[in-house]
Amino acid sequence: AQTVTQSQPEMSVQEAETVTLSCTYDTSESNYYLFWYKQPPSRQMILVIRQEAYKQQNATENRFSVNFQKAAKSFSLKISDSQLGDTAMYFCAFRDDKIIFGKGTRLHILP
Amino acid sequence: DAGVIQSPRHEVTEMGQEVTLRCKPISGHDYLFWYRQTMMRGLELLIYFNNNVPIDDSGMPEDRFSAKMPNASFSTLKIQPSEPRDSAVYFCASTKDAGELFFGEGSRLTVL
Repeated sequence: AQTVTQSQPEMSVQEAETVTLSCTYDTSESNYYLFWYKQPPSRQMILVIRQEAYKQQNATENRFSVNFQKAAKSFSLKISDSQLGDTAMYFCAFRDDKIIFGKGTRLHILP
Repeated sequence: DAGVIQSPRHEVTEMGQEVTLRCKPISGHDYLFWYRQTMMRGLELLIYFNNNVPIDDSGMPEDRFSAKMPNASFSTLKIQPSEPRDSAVYFCASTKDAGELFFGEGSRLTVL
């Protein structure tokens, strides 16, 4: 069965710093998708970035980028120039058909 | 475009009562997922449908939980009888093909 592991329950960084959230997964599939979702205190789930496993190039969305290492089954999220509004829970998710989530990393951006 | 619509947003009920949560997915989406979120367990997948057919319900905790999708625009998650340990936020989400999930705002359930 597929699993998603986020090993950092909580992190804090100063505003404007760069932070990396880690995610590893386990699967025997070769075609799948990976996502990072953000959940602010409003509890709304917001897509941050997605990565198709067949693409070697790492996805980037403005200040957000991923380091996708398929052989190592690793999918980390880097947030550059962090802002106070980035404070939220961040969930890594894996999809082949169904979509499963890691337990999340609570990120605090400090002023 | 309307997003995924869930109701109710909040529900407070007493142990033993029946609870029905409702979801309207985004039009044209052929997958629908139900998740439960708690502090201890995170986001757990309960069940998902493809083209209105349940594909995997292995995450449904026990027989007290049931889910239906009678048509492409409506799904329900029912808990009968409810227990205090069912207290959680329940999310419905939909997607098309292999795309990303679009979530509803969630239904916060409190069972006293």
